[in-house]
Amino acid sequence: GAVVSQHPSRVICKSGTSVKIECRSLDFQATTMFWYRQFPKQSLMLMATSNEGSKATYEQGVEKDKFLINHASLTLSTLTVTSAHPEDSSFYICSASVTDTEAFFGQGTRLTVV
Amino acid sequence: GQNIDQPTEMTATEGAIVQINCTYQTSGFNGLFWYQQHAGEAPTFLSYNVLDGLEEKGRFSSFLSRSKGYSYLLLKELQMKDSASYLCAVRDTNYQLIWGAGTKLIIKP
Repeated sequence: GAVVSQHPSRVICKSGTSVKIECRSLDFQATTMFWYRQFPKQSLMLMATSNEGSKATYEQGVEKDKFLINHASLTLSTLTVTSAHPEDSSFYICSASVTDTEAFFGQGTRLTVV
Repeated sequence: GQNIDQPTEMTATEGAIVQINCTYQTSGFNGLFWYQQHAGEAPTFLSYNVLDGLEEKGRFSSFLSRSKGYSYLLLKELQMKDSASYLCAVRDTNYQLIWGAGTKLIIKP
């Protein structure tokens, strides 16, 4: 299957700093990527849809100025958590679809804000 | 509103068969997905159903009834490595994935 690579897998940062998470499609071009966050024992929550060459579409309740998404190329989307706070600690996952019937996920990033 | 229901937790014995149910109420339907997620890892794709009936893939099978808003994932010959959360997701009219909360499956020897 298609490979989506997400980096870093784990990051610990100080409160008030920014963290960038990268999501790359390694063997296909992804015009659309999705960013999710997942709290322990809860389901995936879609944060935003990232479209190559245009602004991301954010879900209701997600602060676009806090969670900056850039999809500058067909193989790379980045999520930057700005001025991170402990409540932003979560598992962040990106995904991309190759076909209409399957979506592939990155490995996920465990963010801990201390 | 949109809603997907699945049991929170299930327990089964190694070598046995387990069925995980999923019921949904969504604005439109464009396919149902099952994913497996081990703790601390990203989900991995298991199956996709868009038409009524059973899709079989090795030890895993998935069934869909659109009229009933119902699906199940059937796991046969359970192995310890099958201990994971199983997520049901429905794609709605806007092609957005609506996720269930997941079913934690515990396999006992």
